Amino acid sequence: GNSVTQMEGPVTLSEEAFLTINCTYTATGYPSLFWYVQYPGEGLQLLLKATKADDKGSNKGFEATYRKETTSFHLEKGSVQVSDSAVYFCALSGPFQGAQKLVFGQGTRLTINP
Amino acid sequence: NAGVTQTPKFRILKIGQSMTLQCTQDMNHNYMYWYRQDPGMGLKLIYYSVGAGITDKGEVPNGYNVSRSTTEDFPLRLELAAPSQTSVYFCASRLDASSYNEQFFGPGTRLTVL
Repeated sequence: GNSVTQMEGPVTLSEEAFLTINCTYTATGYPSLFWYVQYPGEGLQLLLKATKADDKGSNKGFEATYRKETTSFHLEKGSVQVSDSAVYFCALSGPFQGAQKLVFGQGTRLTINP
Repeated sequence: NAGVTQTPKFRILKIGQSMTLQCTQDMNHNYMYWYRQDPGMGLKLIYYSVGAGITDKGEVPNGYNVSRSTTEDFPLRLELAAPSQTSVYFCASRLDASSYNEQFFGPGTRLTVL
């Protein structure tokens, strides 16, 4: 079945550091890939997405590229801010899944220190 | 637009009690979902619905029931609460199955069963 594996957390960085959160997936065919962010006490918000191989999703300075050859969708940001502290979830939606059900990774908690 | 709203925000139940978690969306979305999020884990799908009158099981449906009598509402029912159902519950909605349409999440209900 479909699955998503994320980098173990928690991750702690200083402000302005470079961020990478690794995400790899297992799926048949060409799934759509997503990064969701969950700020403290809130629900999940879509951060970015990519729907086909080699697509790059980007938003708020974050980027992720859909790599079919390595089945990866790593999240990157060049210079993190304290306000980026949150839990980040990688997710996929299979191409043959009815109702576009999302399969989530376990989440990576990110803390940015000033 | 309020988006996806959930009530209550918090609830403590005793073992064997029952309750209904409410979810309402005002975006006229066809698809609605219920997830649970256990500590340090990703979200797991409990039930979903592709339209009024149509529901189906997700990955972890045991101990729960749902109904979808209107487009707007998708309540989740716990009949005999058990400690294993202690979790944070998220409702989500989506316009349709297109890969270009994101899922929108509610703020969550934190449930503790003692």
